[in-house]
Amino acid sequence: DSGVTQTPKHLITATGQRVTLRCSPRSGDLSVYWYQQSLDQGLQFLIQYYNGEERAKGNILERFSAQQFPDLHSELNLSSLELGDSALYFCASSVSLPASTGNTIYFGEGSWLTVV
Amino acid sequence: AQSVSQHNHHVILSEAASLELGCNYSYGGTVNLFWYVQYPGQHLQLLLKYFSGDPLVKGIKGFEAEFIKSKFSFNLRKPSVQWSDTAEYFCAVTSNRDDKIIFGKGTRLHILP
Repeated sequence: DSGVTQTPKHLITATGQRVTLRCSPRSGDLSVYWYQQSLDQGLQFLIQYYNGEERAKGNILERFSAQQFPDLHSELNLSSLELGDSALYFCASSVSLPASTGNTIYFGEGSWLTVV
Repeated sequence: AQSVSQHNHHVILSEAASLELGCNYSYGGTVNLFWYVQYPGQHLQLLLKYFSGDPLVKGIKGFEAEFIKSKFSFNLRKPSVQWSDTAEYFCAVTSNRDDKIIFGKGTRLHILP
């Protein structure tokens, strides 16, 4: 158990719908990261927050958005869902920023999203 | 552009064989390097990491990796693999130039019993 909690574990929804994925980082971790893992694209970095502020953005679609709340949990919102959005969405957390010496990123178990 | 390349997408070995998985990166600045493992149905777990010092890094479960700066490489090795090493392995890089963590596409390792 990494200490990173993601809900829901599995989600099936229809095209055009909107879903919210939730992540609780490890106790004390200030950074939260979101990744999308699919068979054809591998592990894609979406977005990163540090202590409530967006720090880095990767290949995140405009239909997707995220935020980190004052209690440090984070939510990833996916809207106007398409079949191609079906994937495993990982949240990860770390104590500080990625480049900080000694920083390790811990991953949650992921949220499986199936769009039908 | 920043990138991480894992050239072996799928590797099949017999138990007790030696393993080397390649990882090359294209990244400016001072880099930090990681190898993560994802066992079937599980989340990513850290195998080992390099930040500074000895370029030969030892991790869990008998894995090690060597950072060769001149070759922009961080290859993962294990002298004798076990069936339980069947998993997907990801190389990742961070840099002091930004806050991104970039992963390679992963290498699926299948160990034959």
